[in-house]
Amino acid sequence: NAGVTQTPKFQVLKTGQSMTLQCAQDMNHEYMSWYRQDPGMGLRLIHYSVGAGITDQGEVPNGYNVSRSTTEDFPLRLLSAAPSQTSVYFCASSETGGRTYSYEQYFGPGTRLTVT
Amino acid sequence: TQLLEQSPQFLSIQEGENLTVYCNSSSVFSSLQWYRQEPGEGPVLLVTVVTGGEVKKLKRLTFQFGDARKDSSLHITAAQPGDTGLYLCAEPGGSQGNLIFGKGTKLSVKP
Repeated sequence: NAGVTQTPKFQVLKTGQSMTLQCAQDMNHEYMSWYRQDPGMGLRLIHYSVGAGITDQGEVPNGYNVSRSTTEDFPLRLLSAAPSQTSVYFCASSETGGRTYSYEQYFGPGTRLTVT
Repeated sequence: TQLLEQSPQFLSIQEGENLTVYCNSSSVFSSLQWYRQEPGEGPVLLVTVVTGGEVKKLKRLTFQFGDARKDSSLHITAAQPGDTGLYLCAEPGGSQGNLIFGKGTKLSVKP
């Protein structure tokens, strides 16, 4: 199993450009999420999905869109990139979300994005 | 929203030394997970603790969950360069089904 895969690994954008960060998992997990990681800020939730066709906003959703047409894929779209979106982005999946302790979240290797 | 405080923020030690890092909250944890993140990679789960007073061991790593479930510690015995990384505690209790992360302890073990 590949687990959670993310592409690209690195990306440089100019302000105003749009792009899509790809995320796929092969574990048949229902719950998928996107986090961004910034120095001194920890990991913050951007968007999440509890199943195909269902998405919702996290802590820092502005400037990002998501869709979940299949169980496997959960792309993150930057609509008009801004320097404040320079960060490392992680996609994660788990069997389910919710206030349960036993569900490990599996993270992808991350996409390092720089917006100039 | 519960805040998880991790300390120290940075730790640089020599190979063979012992160390302890901490994760604290003003509220009671439902449970707590510890992750390790190596440079250039995503976090990987090390352990989940659930019961107050629980102790779990993973080779040279010992995890403790406070009796009141408001704090946890990770102790590493005889640290090795391969232990270098960012150690994150997280509570799987966000209202959106997400993990709430601490900011982490960045550990560097020098040969």
